Amino acid sequence: GEDVEQSLFLSVREGDSSVINCTYTDSSSTYLYWYKQEPGAGLQLLTYIFSNMDMKQDQRLTVLLNKKDKHLSLRIADTQTGDSAIYFCAESVTSGTYKYIFGTGTRLKVLA
Amino acid sequence: ETGVTQSPTHLIKTRGQQVTLRCSSQSGHNTVSWYQQALGQGPQFIFQYYREEENGRGNFPPRFSGLQFPNYSSELNVNALELDDSALYLCASSHSSGGPSIEQYFGPGTRLTVT
Repeated sequence: GEDVEQSLFLSVREGDSSVINCTYTDSSSTYLYWYKQEPGAGLQLLTYIFSNMDMKQDQRLTVLLNKKDKHLSLRIADTQTGDSAIYFCAESVTSGTYKYIFGTGTRLKVLA
Repeated sequence: ETGVTQSPTHLIKTRGQQVTLRCSSQSGHNTVSWYQQALGQGPQFIFQYYREEENGRGNFPPRFSGLQFPNYSSELNVNALELDDSALYLCASSHSSGGPSIEQYFGPGTRLTVT
């Protein structure tokens, strides 16, 4: 089956690191993505990782991929109040045709 | 360079009616994807068009159909509307070679309410 799961909420203090986790079921993923959605705004791609990589770092963002456990995480270093948003994990799947599967989103609240 | 635009921003329809939503791709993009996002949920992939052909589809019934035009703009058509079709419909454009896109740029969405 195709499913991407995330925890619903995460609360952290400003300046701490945030780690948002995601598990997926389809092993034929090509890319895995992290998107950010702020209230009233569209989805913004934060970063992505190719499925044959296990880590990617992009400024304050670190993505870790454990393909064996089908687990993806996003670490945000030095979390700021402006990072408060909903974060979606997604995968692109190629099995005859192309599909994108999004998780239900994790609402990150950063406390000042 | 203009971003992805969608029209209309809001729409109210009655159950059983048909609706057409429109999307203008970002300049230079040849691929368009459509998503349905119900309140409090993640986006659900409807389909993807590449060079005017559908090359990807999610688990949506045939009453969800689309078109992509030579200028890469796109339409989403939904026939026989149901109450559960009420959602935010998002369009995303990207440049691809016909495979999965790395960077999709999302429009602001069309909020559809079915009564």
